[in-house]
Amino acid sequence: GDSVTQMEGPVTLSEEAFLTINCTYTATGYPSLFWYVQYPGEGLQLLLKATKADDKGSNKGFEATYRKETTSFHLEKGSVQVSDSAVYFCALIDAGGTSYGKLTFGQGTILTVHP
Amino acid sequence: DAGVTQSPTHLIKTRGQQVTLRCSPKSGHDTVSWYQQALGQGPQFIFQYYEEEERQRGNFPDRFSGHQFPNYSSELNVNALLLGDSALYLCASRRQDTEAFFGQGTRLTVV
Repeated sequence: GDSVTQMEGPVTLSEEAFLTINCTYTATGYPSLFWYVQYPGEGLQLLLKATKADDKGSNKGFEATYRKETTSFHLEKGSVQVSDSAVYFCALIDAGGTSYGKLTFGQGTILTVHP
Repeated sequence: DAGVTQSPTHLIKTRGQQVTLRCSPKSGHDTVSWYQQALGQGPQFIFQYYEEEERQRGNFPDRFSGHQFPNYSSELNVNALLLGDSALYLCASRRQDTEAFFGQGTRLTVV
């Protein structure tokens, strides 16, 4: 079945540092890939997405490129801020006809950014 | 647009009791999915409702059931609660060809 694996966390950075959170996936078809963010006490917010190989999703300075050859979708940001502190989830929707938009999530990576 | 709203935000139940959680989808959305997020874990898919029917189900026991109403709102019911059912329950809504929007969740604690 489908699965998503994220780098083990948590991740602690100083403000303005470079961020990478690794994500790899296994899927039977050609999935769409997502990064969601969860701030303390809140639900999930879509951060960015990519729907086919070599697509780059971007939002709020975050980027991730859909790499079919390495089955990866790593999240990057060039300069993190304290306000980026949150839990980040990589997720996929299998493009197969019976997926009906079911999201499969990784275990999440806690990011803490210090001033 | 109020987005996806869930109620209640928190509740505490005793083992063996039953609980009902509610979700109102974002305006224009007709599909509702429920997820369970245990502490420190990623959300796990419970089931999805479309046109008032369960369309897809994850690996959850029959104690977990749901309903969708004609106005697209939805309920999640859990019977015979176990301590392990303590989690954040998330509702997500979408319509065809859009991404899912999540509510803030209901934090269920079973004691």
